[in-house]
Amino acid sequence: DAKTTQPNSMESNEEEPVHLPCNHSTISGTDYIHWYRQLPSQGPEYVIHGLTSNVNNRMASLAIAEDRKSSTLILHRATLRDAAVYYCIPRSYNTDKLIFGTGTRLQVFP
Amino acid sequence: EPEVTQTPSHQVTQMGQEVILRCVPISNHLYFYWYRQILGQKVEFLVSFYNNEISEKSEIFDDQFSVERPDGSNFTLKIRSTKLEDSAMYFCASTPTLTSGRNEQFFGPGTRLTVL
Repeated sequence: DAKTTQPNSMESNEEEPVHLPCNHSTISGTDYIHWYRQLPSQGPEYVIHGLTSNVNNRMASLAIAEDRKSSTLILHRATLRDAAVYYCIPRSYNTDKLIFGTGTRLQVFP
Repeated sequence: EPEVTQTPSHQVTQMGQEVILRCVPISNHLYFYWYRQILGQKVEFLVSFYNNEISEKSEIFDDQFSVERPDGSNFTLKIRSTKLEDSAMYFCASTPTLTSGRNEQFFGPGTRLTVL
């Protein structure tokens, strides 16, 4: 299983963009990169995933480095509701379990 | 929007007692999971379940744990004889299909289990 490194915590002001980095230098060529988040006192929630190309959805954008050893989750305009722990999770094609690390705790200030 | 539901939201039990945690996955989903999160720690995978069989389990999921899909809607986690260290949030998750690492998992709100 690929190891990930994320900052323990980050801060942002409301309505500013947030870039959450993740290093996954041991990722396999067939692993998808998934991002989940966990709001306080809730279950994890899927955010986005990608393989090689950058991806956008209604929640966020995912920028994947060309060598795939790192990725960045981008929240274009942070809201107070985005305060959560964000997890970067490489997903192997041959297993469906999610292996959570310690993630990045994002604080958003008004 | 369909969602995974879990009952009860909080379960308190005495050490050595059996507990059953219940989950109702999203109705057209075929793959089901249990995870747990001890307070202040990581979310940990316990077990995955498909077609009425366990497809994968972690080292945590020992003989004290079992899972069952007793009918078309419920998915349960049973702990036969609870220990203090079983105190945690237990999350159920489901997904409609497996597509080589691409599918997202939908999580329930969790059941907080407190073992006294």
